[in-house]
Amino acid sequence: AQSVTQPDIHITVSEGASLELRCNYSYGATPYLFWYVQSPGQGLQLLLKYFSGDTLVQGIKGFEAEFKRSQSSFNLRKPSVHWSDAAEYFCAVGQLRSWGKLQFGAGTQVVVTP
Amino acid sequence: DSGVTQTPKHLITATGQRVTLRCSPRSGDLSVYWYQQSLDQGLQFLIQYYNGEERAKGNILERFSAQQFPDLHSELNLSSLELGDSALYFCASSPTVRGANVLTFGAGSRLTVL
Repeated sequence: AQSVTQPDIHITVSEGASLELRCNYSYGATPYLFWYVQSPGQGLQLLLKYFSGDTLVQGIKGFEAEFKRSQSSFNLRKPSVHWSDAAEYFCAVGQLRSWGKLQFGAGTQVVVTP
Repeated sequence: DSGVTQTPKHLITATGQRVTLRCSPRSGDLSVYWYQQSLDQGLQFLIQYYNGEERAKGNILERFSAQQFPDLHSELNLSSLELGDSALYFCASSPTVRGANVLTFGAGSRLTVL
């Protein structure tokens, strides 16, 4: 069965510092990978996705993620964090056969300090 | 605004009651998905509809049911409510059920069962 692990439940980062959120997945075939962000009172907004091709994916709000098949990872990065990046971040895995049935990680809460 | 509309935003009810959550998908999207976000279970896929037909089921309780109407809006019915049903219920939509298309999520309906 596929699974998604986000090892960090909570991360505190200073404004202007870099951010990296970890995501590891377990899936037999080529996964379809996503990062979503949830701000308080908001729904889930797609930051970026990986379907195939270039393993370094650019997303919205200055985020990027790198797919590393050998490490079964899809880590999210941002070079310089803004206060508005404080939110909860979810990694998700999908599969072609049952599209839309995404498996989500437990989420990482990001706190940005001045 | 993601284009996916969910009503009501908040709902407070008592154990044993029945509620209906409504979702209007993004214009042009034929597929609707329901997810539940709770503190203990995280984000879980419940059920998927495509053009009025059920296409996939996840961890949906027998007390819960859903349908998609000819105008493509969807309703999630929750009956015999228990305290543990308190959660944020998300609807998402996508253009098709085929792979490599993105789910767009609504802002969610927060259900509190007292």
